[in-house]
Amino acid sequence: AQKITQTQPGMFVQEKEAVTLDCTYDTSDPSYGLFWYKQPSSGEMIFLIYQGSYDQQNATEGRYSLNFQKARKSANLVISASQLGDSAMYFCAMRERNTGNQFYFGTGTSLTVIP
Amino acid sequence: DGGITQSPKYLFRKEGQNVTLSCEQNLNHDAMYWYRQDPGQGLRLIYYSQIVNDFQKGDIAEGYSVSREKKESFPLTVTSAQKNPTAFYLCASSMLGQGNHEQYFGPGTRLTVT
Repeated sequence: AQKITQTQPGMFVQEKEAVTLDCTYDTSDPSYGLFWYKQPSSGEMIFLIYQGSYDQQNATEGRYSLNFQKARKSANLVISASQLGDSAMYFCAMRERNTGNQFYFGTGTSLTVIP
Repeated sequence: DGGITQSPKYLFRKEGQNVTLSCEQNLNHDAMYWYRQDPGQGLRLIYYSQIVNDFQKGDIAEGYSVSREKKESFPLTVTSAQKNPTAFYLCASSMLGQGNHEQYFGPGTRLTVT
């Protein structure tokens, strides 16, 4: 079974609007961390936001927030007030305590911001 | 400045040749990783290492080899046995353990084999 599932291969959003990128995960480990990365066309991977499985509140970092629904095993990324520079690939990832230091990545979502 | 360096950024090789991709980090991280990314695809784990002189195979280790003789360095060799080596290769590192320990990535190496 896939550890991380991103079902949206491509998304479009109007500049200044908000957009939600979906991510669901599969784990039986009670202790895990969820990460979102941005990959512009240059190829570098940029860490955006982290959510721990025991965190009571949804994580926020500037215009990025994580909609963490533990019972549904979803960790959607919300980008508010989209900017043209947000156009990139976005990857959801998970790290489990039991599997040590291995990270599992989804297949990514390509976001295009339309002026 | 702490970070991860990969060199070179672009690499061209003829089929049948082995090629080694460099990855160095000065973040004092114990864990290091190699990923392969094909166009429009996600990241696939090739090898990872949690400690010097030890490493584990990832999902697509066939045709690749690594070494971890120093904490700072984790070079990846793409051997002639790798059937389709043309891809974008990303190296990453992280702290061991739990918590908010994200992976830090290098800028990547684009390998083209003809």
